[in-house]
Amino acid sequence: QVQLQESGPGLVKPSQTLSLTCTVSGGSISSGSYYWSWIRQPAGKGLEWIGRIYTSGSTNYNPSLKSRVTISVDTSKNQFSLKLSSVTAADTAVYYCARGSRRDYGALDIWGQGTMVTVSS
Amino acid sequence: DIQMTQSPSSLSASVGDRVTITCRASQSISSYLNWYQQKPGKAPKLLIYAASSLQSGVPSRFSGSGSGTDFTLTISSLQPEDFATYYCQQSYSTFMYTFGQGTKLEIK
Repeated sequence: QVQLQESGPGLVKPSQTLSLTCTVSGGSISSGSYYWSWIRQPAGKGLEWIGRIYTSGSTNYNPSLKSRVTISVDTSKNQFSLKLSSVTAADTAVYYCARGSRRDYGALDIWGQGTMVTVSS
Repeated sequence: DIQMTQSPSSLSASVGDRVTITCRASQSISSYLNWYQQKPGKAPKLLIYAASSLQSGVPSRFSGSGSGTDFTLTISSLQPEDFATYYCQQSYSTFMYTFGQGTKLEIK
């Protein structure tokens, strides 16, 4: 059974870069049937789609974050990563990684448990 | 960007009730509409994909319908474990997926 697990610092200083990794277990990240996404959720608020990557390396980003976001994949480690630069308090949120199914109309069918990231000095 | 609007934002209901949540897209998204359930402190869980297809393992009391711009999620008989927040999400746009603002389903 495929599982996803986020990891990374829980505290990031303003203006620095937030870096998170999602490790995929129980299956290969290289499967062409899927893409790999990041989503975030500020406390008490809704879900915000950050972006996605295919194992070909092709990416799509939320236009509101595009200038600050980079998503990459490391197939040798079965991981994909998120970097968000120049963070502010507004980037404080729970960050989720998720698998998207290309077959099932792009639905996000498996999610990590989420990791809380706080931006504060 | 395609905007997704859910209604209502919150809803009170009792165990055994039939409940319907609506999601409207700002433009046609065909059947590229997915529904998720989120409980406090947990990751969202996929319930319905492609507007009306039930995800494996999801109880049959959940159903989805619609196409184009108007969609509904129906819970035929509410169970205690169904009290949660529900989100719709469009996966039509090639470049950007968006979620609705969520509907919080509470116990009456």
